[in-house]
Amino acid sequence: ELKVEQNPLFLSMQEEKNYTIYCNYSTTSDRLYWYRQDPGKSLESLFVLLSNGAVKQEGRLMASLDTKARLSTLHITAAVHDLSATYFCAVHMDSNYQLIWGAGTKLIIKP
Amino acid sequence: EAGVVQSPRYKIIEKKQPVAFWCNPISGHNTLYWYRQNLGQGPELLIRYENEEAVDDSQLPKDRFSAERLKGVDSTLKIQPAELGDSAVYLCASGWGVAYEQYFGPGTRLTVT
Repeated sequence: ELKVEQNPLFLSMQEEKNYTIYCNYSTTSDRLYWYRQDPGKSLESLFVLLSNGAVKQEGRLMASLDTKARLSTLHITAAVHDLSATYFCAVHMDSNYQLIWGAGTKLIIKP
Repeated sequence: EAGVVQSPRYKIIEKKQPVAFWCNPISGHNTLYWYRQNLGQGPELLIRYENEEAVDDSQLPKDRFSAERLKGVDSTLKIQPAELGDSAVYLCASGWGVAYEQYFGPGTRLTVT
């Protein structure tokens, strides 16, 4: 059974600081997704990571994937208040095509 | 391009009552998903459709939950009878196929009292 663990689950930080969210998973997978969810809103796709060593960047967010370590990171550079949200990673199960989701990291960025 | 549409956005019912949720996916997307999201957790898959066929309903509580996707476009998820533990947000998502990312609707927040 594939398990996905995110940490931290809660992160409060100041603007202009850097931080990293980690996503560990327990079995092999061919792809990993990062999503953002604002309070009371739906899930917005941020990144799709398809191969070992994949790195994608959008604005102040950068995601990477290490399939050998079964680890993905979401790095936030010089955080701004608008990035406050809950961030989920989701790992694709090759056997049945399901996405297995982490519990989410609630990120609060204070001015 | 219109996104995934869901209705209603909110629903409050008493336990033992029936409830139904509707989803209209993005045009052209043949794969449709229903998820349940409890507070503070990630989504959990209930059922996946490929066109009009339910290809994965292994996590759908079939004693009270049912779903259909007639004509391979719109879909309806029903709960009958609802229980207190069914309170959650029900999300619909669609995509070009299992190899592609999923696009989510705004969800229906269900409260069972």
